[in-house]
Amino acid sequence: QKEVEQNSGPLSVPEGAIASLNCTYSDRGSQSFFWYRQYSGKSPELIMFIYSNGDKEDGRFTAQLNKASQYVSLLIRDSQPSDSATYLCAVSRANDYKLSFGAGTTVTVRA
Amino acid sequence: ETGVTQSPTHLIKTRGQQVTLRCSSQSGHNTVSWYQQALGQGPQFIFQYYREEENGRGNFPPRFSGLQFPNYSSELNVNALELDDSALYLCASRAGQGNTDTQYFGPGTRLTVL
Repeated sequence: QKEVEQNSGPLSVPEGAIASLNCTYSDRGSQSFFWYRQYSGKSPELIMFIYSNGDKEDGRFTAQLNKASQYVSLLIRDSQPSDSATYLCAVSRANDYKLSFGAGTTVTVRA
Repeated sequence: ETGVTQSPTHLIKTRGQQVTLRCSSQSGHNTVSWYQQALGQGPQFIFQYYREEENGRGNFPPRFSGLQFPNYSSELNVNALELDDSALYLCASRAGQGNTDTQYFGPGTRLTVL
């Protein structure tokens, strides 16, 4: 079982719709959860982090965390063509330094 | 821009050669991590340096080694290159050692091994 698994893409959504990305993790000791966006040929860019159960909103992005279910998600509201990218879920343990990444979900927003 | 820079941008080597990749961390950041990202995969943790000492390593063989300098810049060295070493190599810096400290990635070095 992989440490971090993301729903396989690609995910295609029309402009203005909600894109929903899911991520599960296997290590119950995971404490910090991150969503990175990676455009083709570029490096990952942090868009959200969440540490506590529940929802965290930042502009059009909402991260949701459920530690009991070992599940973290990202919602992108009012999707724009500029949101077309690969989204990487990453987790780290308490008092640890390394990020464990999923393979990513590629999102395409259709104009 | 994250303030993290890497050089070179692209590199082509042949199997068996050695390569050195460089990273300059964001000002004030004393911790640098290196990741390898193969095509279509997420980044894989190679190792981390804190105040010039390696303080964590992923599942990579000893031919992957590194250095951190007093100015917190860093190098990744790979000996005896193999075809599977072809990947995007990412450097990430952060200000502290806590797992909540945000890591900022550089633009990466694309290594191709022929």
